[in-house]
Amino acid sequence: AQTVTQSQPEMSVQEAETVTLSCTYDTSENNYYLFWYKQPPSRQMILVIRQEAYKQQNATENRFSVNFQKAAKSFSLKISDSQLGDTAMYFCAFSSFFGNEKLTFGTGTRLTIIP
Amino acid sequence: DSGVTQTPKHLITATGQRVTLRCSPRSGDLSVYWYQQSLDQGLQFLIQYYNGEERAKGNILERFSAQQFPDLHSELNLSSLELGDSALYFCASSVLAGVDTQYFGPGTRLTVL
Repeated sequence: AQTVTQSQPEMSVQEAETVTLSCTYDTSENNYYLFWYKQPPSRQMILVIRQEAYKQQNATENRFSVNFQKAAKSFSLKISDSQLGDTAMYFCAFSSFFGNEKLTFGTGTRLTIIP
Repeated sequence: DSGVTQTPKHLITATGQRVTLRCSPRSGDLSVYWYQQSLDQGLQFLIQYYNGEERAKGNILERFSAQQFPDLHSELNLSSLELGDSALYFCASSVLAGVDTQYFGPGTRLTVL
């Protein structure tokens, strides 16, 4: 079974700074997908970014980028020029490429952007 | 707005009761997933339907059941409710049954008293 670990329960950073959230996972599969979801105080789950394991290039979405290290099974999220609206819980998630497509989530990192 | 709708937003009920949570997927999405988010267990996958058929089951209790209707909306039925069932229940949808980005609804907050 796959597991996802987020070792930073809470983080805080000043507005406009850069912050990196860590995620490691364990799987015996070679093909899979990784995601970062954001859950603001409204509780809505919002997709931030997605990475296909077969792609060597790291995914980027505006101020959000990932550092995907397949051999190390590491998938960190970098937020550049952080904004107050980035304050949220961030969840790392894993999905198998074949078979059960459920998302397996980490325990989350609570990120606070300080004005 | 993800395009996934869930009703009701909040539900307060008593132990032993039965409730039904409803989800309408994004237009064109055939796959529906149900997740439970609780303080002690985090986000857990419950069940997946694809085009009306059950496709995968996770940590879903026997007291819980779900179905997906011909118009692709889905319902999650929770019966013999216990205090520990209090949680946020999310529905997500995706176009395909295979790996595809899942878009989440706003959730239903269930409180069992």
